[in-house]
Amino acid sequence: DQQVKQNSPSLSVQEGRISILNCDYTNSMFDYFLWYKKYPAEGPTFLISISSIKDKNEDGRFTVFLNKSAKHLSLHIVPSQPGDSAVYFCAASGGSGYALNFGKGTSLLVTP
Amino acid sequence: SQTIHQWPATLVQPVGSPLSLECTVEGTSNPNLYWYRQAAGRGLQLLFYSVGIGQISSEVPQNLSASRPQDRQFILSSKKLLLSDSGFYLCAWSYGAAYEQYFGPGTRLTVT
Repeated sequence: DQQVKQNSPSLSVQEGRISILNCDYTNSMFDYFLWYKKYPAEGPTFLISISSIKDKNEDGRFTVFLNKSAKHLSLHIVPSQPGDSAVYFCAASGGSGYALNFGKGTSLLVTP
Repeated sequence: SQTIHQWPATLVQPVGSPLSLECTVEGTSNPNLYWYRQAAGRGLQLLFYSVGIGQISSEVPQNLSASRPQDRQFILSSKKLLLSDSGFYLCAWSYGAAYEQYFGPGTRLTVT
């Protein structure tokens, strides 16, 4: 049962433009959300997170937005750079246990 | 700074053979430790986590087991590998029950 869904397997954006990656979740017990970036044959790297008590968190070019009523979050990258090309995973945590529930990832390609 | 190591980086094993993957963390004490697996076309799935030496919790019943013989060492094992055990295995750590988890470089396991 996939509790975190990333419905776009891939996204292509031109350098300098905005990249928007989306994520939906079904479990209302989730109270913390994270984005990870992954290059091929490497482990995921933590990028940015947001608590359910906030609706926005910024870190440089990266901003995460949370819409609790819609159970939706998004990652905005502005401006996009070729080095941002990677697979981005959305993850959620909360309720019982220590598991991070991951989506299947969105492959972002930033073209020059 | 903290560093997480995993080895080997790649492994090809025949069906029915044993498995031992090792993970060590440097630069922190008493971390929570995690084993994840990413199968082809799927997101990351938590297999085991540990909050201390000798304390292992299993999230998914399967052909694998985990052990934590030392504070910063986490081992994933199997007595007899199955074809379905193929995948990308990732070790991660966190500061206690903090939400952010930090991943190692991963091991690509192919069972033939």
